[in-house]
Amino acid sequence: AQSVTQLDSHVSVSEGTPVLLRCNYSSSYSPSLFWYVQHPNKGLQLLLKYTSAATLVKGINGFEAEFKKSETSFHLTKPSAHMSDAAEYFCVVSGTGGFKTIFGAGTRLFVKA
Amino acid sequence: DTGVSQDPRHKITKRGQNVTFRCDPISEHNRLYWYRQTLGQGPEFLTYFQNEAQLEKSRLLSDRFSAERPKGSFSTLEIQRTEQGDSAMYLCASSLGSAGARTDTQYFGPGTRLTVL
Repeated sequence: AQSVTQLDSHVSVSEGTPVLLRCNYSSSYSPSLFWYVQHPNKGLQLLLKYTSAATLVKGINGFEAEFKKSETSFHLTKPSAHMSDAAEYFCVVSGTGGFKTIFGAGTRLFVKA
Repeated sequence: DTGVSQDPRHKITKRGQNVTFRCDPISEHNRLYWYRQTLGQGPEFLTYFQNEAQLEKSRLLSDRFSAERPKGSFSTLEIQRTEQGDSAMYLCASSLGSAGARTDTQYFGPGTRLTVL
């Protein structure tokens, strides 16, 4: 079975400070992993994806994530938060046992001025 | 590239009525997905098409739900005899898949919010 766990339902940071959103996955296969962002009343937008190339993946808007197989983790980071980063973030595992795509429950990021 | 579009954006219906949603994928995309998202949760996979063939269905897709993609372009999702538990956001996504590839990047539409009274 495959699953994805986002370890924090809410994360609050101050503008200009680093962001860390944690994601662990479980998979019987070599997975593809994604991070999506969802702003209020807007569609899901792809931030970045890992598909077994480089373990450090750079995405849009300064976000990056590191695939760590030994820890089964795919944490999302950004060096300096911006007010516009406030949104819901989803970690996604796919390509495991067919085409089913599994989303985590999401982490809501709050950015304080 | 005009993105994935969904219609309607909002639907309010009474319990027991049938509803149908439409999804228009990005024009050259051969794969199309439906998801359901309830408040405070991540989207849950419902079903997947490659061209016009429905290749995978979740157990969440009860017999009241049916999806079609008749010509491999737009898709419809119908819910018969709606129940209050069907209230959710229904998301559509599309991707350009290559032969043998297990996964690819999905592009999501804005969703259809269904409220069943």
